[in-house]
Amino acid sequence: LAKTTQPISMDSYEGQEVNITCSHNNIATNDYITWYQQFPSQGPRFIIQGYKTKVTNEVASLFIPADRKSSTLSLPRVSLSDTAVYYCLVGEAAGNKLTFGGGTRVLVKP
Amino acid sequence: NAGVTQTPKFQVLKTGQSMTLQCAQDMNHNSMYWYRQDPGMGLRLIYYSASEGTTDKGEVPNGYNVSRLNKREFSLRLESAAPSQTSVYFCASSETGEKLFFGSGTQLSVL
Repeated sequence: LAKTTQPISMDSYEGQEVNITCSHNNIATNDYITWYQQFPSQGPRFIIQGYKTKVTNEVASLFIPADRKSSTLSLPRVSLSDTAVYYCLVGEAAGNKLTFGGGTRVLVKP
Repeated sequence: NAGVTQTPKFQVLKTGQSMTLQCAQDMNHNSMYWYRQDPGMGLRLIYYSASEGTTDKGEVPNGYNVSRLNKREFSLRLESAAPSQTSVYFCASSETGEKLFFGSGTQLSVL
């Protein structure tokens, strides 16, 4: 399974764009890249998933370079409610040993 | 849609006591998982079940047992609770593409 490395924490201000990069140097051919958001006292919540290039939904964008050895989650115009821990997860489909890294604690300031 | 339901939400045990954490999903997912999260830390995989009738160890299986009772239910048992097992326990399920759906967690304290 591909090990992931993320920054431990990031600070930002309301209205700014937040970019979190995850390194996964030994990603396998069949692996997807998935990002989760976790608020205190809650289970993680799916944000976005991709395999290559760029994926965008109503919440975030995910940029994946051609070599797939890293990925960047982009949160546009963050608000205070985006303060959370963000996890990058790399692995193949359901039924496998899906392990989380340490996550990135994002603090959005007014 | 209930999604993934965990019971109980809170539990206090004395060292040496046993208990079972229950998890049920109504999304007809094949795969289910148990994670623990210690205060201020990330999630660690305890056990997982790829499909009904199969279970496998995760990163931290010692001190736990699991049962995949049927496709909907995946329980986690602590046979002899220890203070080191004080944590929040999350159950999750998944079908394809690694998208996990999590329950709201069980906060367990072992005194």
